Amino acid sequence: GENVEQHPSTLSVQEGDSAVIKCTYSDSASNYFPWYKQELGKRPQLIIDIRSNVGEKKDQRIAVTLNKTAKHFSLHITETQPEDSAVYFCAASMDSSYKLIFGSGTRLLVRP
Amino acid sequence: GAVVSQHPSWVICKSGTSVKIECRSLDFQATTMFWYRQFPKQSLMLMATSNEGSKATYEQGVEKDKFLINHASLTLSTLTVTSAHPEDSSFYICSASPMAGASYEQYFGPGTRLTVT
Repeated sequence: GENVEQHPSTLSVQEGDSAVIKCTYSDSASNYFPWYKQELGKRPQLIIDIRSNVGEKKDQRIAVTLNKTAKHFSLHITETQPEDSAVYFCAASMDSSYKLIFGSGTRLLVRP
Repeated sequence: GAVVSQHPSWVICKSGTSVKIECRSLDFQATTMFWYRQFPKQSLMLMATSNEGSKATYEQGVEKDKFLINHASLTLSTLTVTSAHPEDSSFYICSASPMAGASYEQYFGPGTRLTVT
């Protein structure tokens, strides 16, 4: 089955700097890649997603890139703010099941 | 739109008892619902996929006789943890998908924190 690996596990950046989180997936049939932000004790919140027919997608300070050949995708957050501090999860899904397989998570800390 | 609720938000039960958690899609019909378990400082692990009117599909390693899933309507799925033990203490989260136009997006419930004493 699908396996998603995520790096780094923790990331500390200065406010205003950029943060990059990377994920790789194993099943080439996966074609949907969402990113979630989860605050302590809360539900995951979708922040951006990308489908396999697109290489890059941007929404204000957040962007996601996808390299299908290498089977990896990345989350880029620019001009980080303290409120960006949370745990971020990548995930992968495919047409045949729609189920999400999550990465292990990245704890992002933005220092004021 | 696309609101998913869970009840209860937290529950404490004694070892050996059963606990039922409800997941409801409030403003859309959910053909498919998913149940996840999340241990502290860990990722969301998919437990099972629940389809309305049919048996749930469990992930490898998840005991279907221990985690009973019922998806009786297009807006309600329930997870019953039977004969709960302290190791079942976790954060249980459901998600629902309208599957409209083959949309992948899943909407998550707020989660239920289960503590087994």
